[in-house]
Amino acid sequence: QLQLQESGPGLVKPSETLSLTCTVSGGGIRSGYYYWAWIRQPPGKGLEWIASRYSTGSSFFNPSLKSRVTISIDTSKNQFSLKLSSVTAADTATYYCARQQLLWFGDPDPDYFDYWGQGALITVSS
Amino acid sequence: DIQMTQSPSTLSASIGDRVTITCRASQSISSWLAWYQQKPGKAPKLLIYKASTLQSGVPSRFSGSRSGTEFTLTISSLQPDDFATYYCQQYSSSLYTFGQGTKLEIK
Repeated sequence: QLQLQESGPGLVKPSETLSLTCTVSGGGIRSGYYYWAWIRQPPGKGLEWIASRYSTGSSFFNPSLKSRVTISIDTSKNQFSLKLSSVTAADTATYYCARQQLLWFGDPDPDYFDYWGQGALITVSS
Repeated sequence: DIQMTQSPSTLSASIGDRVTITCRASQSISSWLAWYQQKPGKAPKLLIYKASTLQSGVPSRFSGSRSGTEFTLTISSLQPDDFATYYCQQYSSSLYTFGQGTKLEIK
């Protein structure tokens, strides 16, 4: 059974960089059938997609966050990571990592999110 | 951006009721729509993809349909485990967007 687990500091100071890692177990991150994604949810609010990345490097970003986001994959560790720079209180949220399905091997247009991590609450505060 | 608008925002219902949640896309997304269930403090769970395909392991009382740019999630007979918040998500565009959520409460 595939499992995803987020890890990172729970508290980040304003203007600093938020860093999160998602460790994938029960399946290979190198698989050509999936993208790997980050999604966030501010307290009491809805879901916002941040970015997605394929093992070969192809990536998609939410334009509203693109200038501040880096997403990377470490296939040797079966992990992928998110960095969000210049954070403010508006970035306080639960951050989820997720697997994103493809219709076929190497499909350039990823689809829905079928496996999710449990989420990591990140608070931006001094 | 493709905007996804869910209605109602909150729905009160009783065990055994048949309930319908609606999601409307701001433009055509074909059938590229998924539905998720989220319980407090938990990650969303995929219920349905491609508008009407039930994810493996999801009870058959859940179903999805499409009419143009309007999508519906139906629960045929509410069970205690179904009280949660439901989100739709479009994947027609690579700027993936979710509806604002529908909270299903016990009447």
